[in-house]
Amino acid sequence: GAVVSQHPSRVICKSGTSVKIECRSLDFQATTMFWYRQFPKQSLMLMATSNEGSKATYEQGVEKDKFLINHASLTLSTLTVTSAHPEDSSFYICSAREGGFPLGTDTQYFGPGTRLTVL
Amino acid sequence: GEDVEQSLFLSVREGDSSVINCTYTDSSSTYLYWYKQEPGAGLQLLTYIFSNMDMKQDQRLTVLLNKKDKHLSLRIADTQTGDSAIYFCAEIQPTSGTYKYIFGTGTRLKVLA
Repeated sequence: GAVVSQHPSRVICKSGTSVKIECRSLDFQATTMFWYRQFPKQSLMLMATSNEGSKATYEQGVEKDKFLINHASLTLSTLTVTSAHPEDSSFYICSAREGGFPLGTDTQYFGPGTRLTVL
Repeated sequence: GEDVEQSLFLSVREGDSSVINCTYTDSSSTYLYWYKQEPGAGLQLLTYIFSNMDMKQDQRLTVLLNKKDKHLSLRIADTQTGDSAIYFCAEIQPTSGTYKYIFGTGTRLKVLA
């Protein structure tokens, strides 16, 4: 099946610094990528939808200036957590949707997640 | 609201069947999915069902769909200790020219040896 990678898998940073997380589709072209946040023992919360070459669409309550998303190519999307604070500590998961299928007939493939800890 | 509901916990003995239930919200969802998440890992697609189907079987997995009640279930036959994980159902909702997944609250399955 399709493979999506994330890098890094774990990151620890100091409060006030910025952290970039990469999401790559390894064997397919992802026209759309999604970024999720998961708190301990909770479900996934969609943060934003990212289409290649255009601005990301953020969900209500997600700060655009805080969580910068760039989808510059069909295989790479990045999430930058700017000026991170301890409350940003979470598990961030990306997913990628392969293009060329009618909406709703394909599936999303998920990355393994990145655990961010802000001290 | 947008909540997709699941029971939080399920405990079964090894070899028994497990049934995980999900109540979704959008009757127009074309596909419904089941994902598995092991500790500290991402989500693994287990199976999905198209909305015009009532049942889908895939090896040990059986998905049942009741569109009238917006109820989805996942049955795991001959449950093994390796099946211990969190299981999420998900429905599709259209958004901004594409679609997004709405995930259920997750069911933590514990398999006792």
